[in-house]
Amino acid sequence: ELQLVESGGDLVKPGGSLRLSCAASGFTFSTYNMNWVRQAPGKGLEWVSSISTSSTYIYYADSVKGRFTISRDNAKDSLYLQMNSLRAEDTAVYYCARAIPSAGKGFDYWGQGTLVTVSS
Amino acid sequence: SYELTQPPSVSVSPGQTASITCSGDKLGEKFACWYQQKPGQSPVQVIYENRKRPSGIPARFSGSNSGNTATLTISGTQAMDEADYYCQAWDSTTVVFGGGTKLTVL
Repeated sequence: ELQLVESGGDLVKPGGSLRLSCAASGFTFSTYNMNWVRQAPGKGLEWVSSISTSSTYIYYADSVKGRFTISRDNAKDSLYLQMNSLRAEDTAVYYCARAIPSAGKGFDYWGQGTLVTVSS
Repeated sequence: SYELTQPPSVSVSPGQTASITCSGDKLGEKFACWYQQKPGQSPVQVIYENRKRPSGIPARFSGSNSGNTATLTISGTQAMDEADYYCQAWDSTTVVFGGGTKLTVL
C-alpha cells in the first residue's frame, strides 16, 4: 500500500527550529520528485519546496528561502524539511507530496500532514 | 510572481454541471492540475496535464486549459463532490496554487 507519513510537527517558539520527516512506502521512492506543501489554518495550499530524484535540483518558495532546507535519503525512503528561524506565519499543516518527474503530472499522492505551530 | 485566480465559491444543484475557473497570465501555455480537498482530509489530484484523470477519479470530472483560463468541469455533480478545489501550475521552477474555490452542492 502506498503511504507517505509525515512526522515532527510540534509547538515551537518564534525563532526556533524544527525538522519534519516524511516516510515513504509502497512505491519506488527514488524515482519520484518530492515536495512540501503547507496549509495555514483555514487557508489555501502553499507550495514550500521541491527536490528532484537524486537531489540535483532543489527549489524553494520565496517565503521560506534561506530559512528552510529540503533533503532526502533514498536509502531510507525518507524526505526531510529543516525549518529554522520560524515565524508565526509558518504555522500550518505541512504535507509531503510526490510528483512524477515529468512536466504536467503534478502531485499525485499526498501524506496526511503534520501540524507546525509557531507561537510564544 | 505568478498568480492564479479562482472564484472563492461556486454553487451547483445536484445533477447539474459545475464549472470552476482558474485564471493566470498565458496559463494555456502551461500545464494545469486540479486538486479536491474535503474538510479534514489531504488533497486528492483530480486532473493533471490540463485534462487527464488519475486512476480512480470519476469520468464526471474533466478539465480544459486555453488562453488565460483553465477550467474544471464536474458533470452530474453529486453531494460527495462538495469540497474545496485548487488549481496548480508551474512558473519556471516554482509551483503555484490558486487560492481555492469552495464548491457547494445544494
